[in-house]
Amino acid sequence: AQKITQTQPGMFVQEKEAVTLDCTYDTSDQSYGLFWYKQPSSGEMIFLIYQGSYDEQNATEGRYSLNFQKARKSANLVISASQLGDSAMYFCAMRGANDYKLSFGAGTTVTVRA
Amino acid sequence: NAGVMQNPRHLVRRRGQEARLRCSPMKGHSHVYWYRQLPEEGLKFMVYLQKENIIDESGMPKERFSAEFPKEGPSILRIQQVVRGDSAAYFCASSPRRTGASSSISYEQYFGPGTRLTVT
Repeated sequence: AQKITQTQPGMFVQEKEAVTLDCTYDTSDQSYGLFWYKQPSSGEMIFLIYQGSYDEQNATEGRYSLNFQKARKSANLVISASQLGDSAMYFCAMRGANDYKLSFGAGTTVTVRA
Repeated sequence: NAGVMQNPRHLVRRRGQEARLRCSPMKGHSHVYWYRQLPEEGLKFMVYLQKENIIDESGMPKERFSAEFPKEGPSILRIQQVVRGDSAAYFCASSPRRTGASSSISYEQYFGPGTRLTVT
């Protein structure tokens, strides 16, 4: 079984600044995948970034980067140069490499201020 | 290239009525996963289906809930005799192969926009 913990229920960030969203996980699987999703107020789930447990490089996708520290079991999301459109709920998720069930954290609400 | 479609987007039911939620997977996808998001929580897995088969329904309540994915047509999540506690957002996701069968990210789950069920 996997467990995802997101300890920050809400965060404020100034436009154009960077923000880091914390995510720690617990799993007995040796191989697994970590995901971040964005959920704006409209409600849809938007896939942002993926990190495999055996990937040596931290994943990056545009302004999103994943700070993966395997020994600490953390997979923090960094959003650089925040924009007003980044205001949303962000979910960290994971699954075992051979599993299909995604396990989600409780989410972090990000509000970007002009 | 249409994504995963869900309808209705919003559904209001009175206690005791039935709710039917539909999910049309992406073209070429034959694997469907349903998740439920209760207020202020993350998504939780409910059921995994392939065409005409329920593979894993371990996350689905034993009573009142059922799911199907017929050979033709969308996948349907059915909730009978709804109660206020069923109020939630229900998401479906689809993939071209069973997620986890390959390390390729292209086999990951693509989510629909969700159906928000409100039970009054």
